[in-house]
Amino acid sequence: AQSVTQLGSHVSVSEGALVLLRCNYSSSVPPYLFWYVQYPNQGLQLLLKYTSAATLVKGINGFEAEFKKSETSFHLTKPSAHMSDAAEYFCAVSEKGQFYFGTGTSLTVIP
Amino acid sequence: NAGVTQTPKFRILKIGQSMTLQCTQDMNHNYMYWYRQDPGMGLKLIYYSVGAGITDKGEVPNGYNVSRSTTEDFPLRLELAAPSQTSVYFCASSYSGGDYTFGSGTRLTVV
Repeated sequence: AQSVTQLGSHVSVSEGALVLLRCNYSSSVPPYLFWYVQYPNQGLQLLLKYTSAATLVKGINGFEAEFKKSETSFHLTKPSAHMSDAAEYFCAVSEKGQFYFGTGTSLTVIP
Repeated sequence: NAGVTQTPKFRILKIGQSMTLQCTQDMNHNYMYWYRQDPGMGLKLIYYSVGAGITDKGEVPNGYNVSRSTTEDFPLRLELAAPSQTSVYFCASSYSGGDYTFGSGTRLTVV
């Protein structure tokens, strides 16, 4: 089965600073990869996904992620953090119709 | 479109009671899933279904049961509630294992 590792359960950035959330997956075959965002007391919403097309994937709200096969990574970035970006972020990998989620990274944005 | 609808949003159960968490989707998705989310643990798959009449265990099925009599509905049954089942439960659906659409969750407390 796949596994997903998110480094850092809590990340704090200043408003306007770069956001970098890390995700590594375990697979010898390039999988489908996803980032989801969860705002307080809500379900998960799809931010972006990689499906073996372009390695740099752009998502909603200014987020993007780069698939690096050599590093088995799919890190999420945003050039300039907004207060509204404060949320929980989950990386996920899809295999045979099932998603495997990381344990999540809680992003705090400091004004 | 309503997407994925979960009811109830909140529930308090006493130990040993039973209840059914309802999930319905109106997107004609064939795959449906139940996850539980615990702090710092990410999402764990309880049960999933790839179509009406077909269900399968996920990572943490003990203490739960499901049925899938229609494409739209995928209820989750707790027969003898235990404190360890205190969690937030998310239902999700997808078309053949693609992007997940999540419900807004059911927050369950067992006392």
